[in-house]
Amino acid sequence: DQQVKQNSPSLSVQEGRISILNCDYTNSMFDYFLWYKKYPAEGPTFLISISSIKDKNEDGRFTVFLNKSAKHLSLHIVPSQPGDSAVYFCAASARLSGGSNYKLTFGKGTLLTVNP
Amino acid sequence: NAGVMQNPRHLVRRRGQEARLRCSPMKGHSHVYWYRQLPEEGLKFMVYLQKENIIDESGMPKERFSAEFPKEGPSILRIQQVVRGDSAAYFCASSPNAGYSHGYTFGSGTRLTVV
Repeated sequence: DQQVKQNSPSLSVQEGRISILNCDYTNSMFDYFLWYKKYPAEGPTFLISISSIKDKNEDGRFTVFLNKSAKHLSLHIVPSQPGDSAVYFCAASARLSGGSNYKLTFGKGTLLTVNP
Repeated sequence: NAGVMQNPRHLVRRRGQEARLRCSPMKGHSHVYWYRQLPEEGLKFMVYLQKENIIDESGMPKERFSAEFPKEGPSILRIQQVVRGDSAAYFCASSPNAGYSHGYTFGSGTRLTVV
């Protein structure tokens, strides 16, 4: 039973364009969401997060949008750069709802390729 | 300011042998988490430890797997009598407190191959 789903295994975009990575979740207890970026043979690196009390969080070229009613979040990268090519993982936790605030549930990841 | 250090980076074991994976958290971090990534899968939580205490091991297989985080030294994830299905990347993460809002810092992982 996958509680965090990233339905697109891969995404290819041109340099300078927008990359949109999507993530859906099923567990209503999740109230905190994170995106991680992972290069081959390295560990995941934290990118950006959002609490369920917000619907948008922005950090430079990266923006995460949260639609609670649809249980959907997305990561926007604008403009995309070749160095952004990596696997992006969506993760969720139940920080405030009485669940285990330290336990992250990850999606399977989306491989983003940004072509020069 | 070293990050989370995991060793070895690669480990090959024959079926039935023991595997020991080590993790040194970032300086100042006293919370350690182990995650496993099977091929084509996302990372899955295994265990959460603080110094000398196992807080949550709900993600650990009931047999053959154990973890510790002693007062001195790194955290150890131990897999006894390894089987082919244990082949995976094992990632350790650390944080200064539980539920750290900026996300955990992960190590580069140990890739275990069971032959």
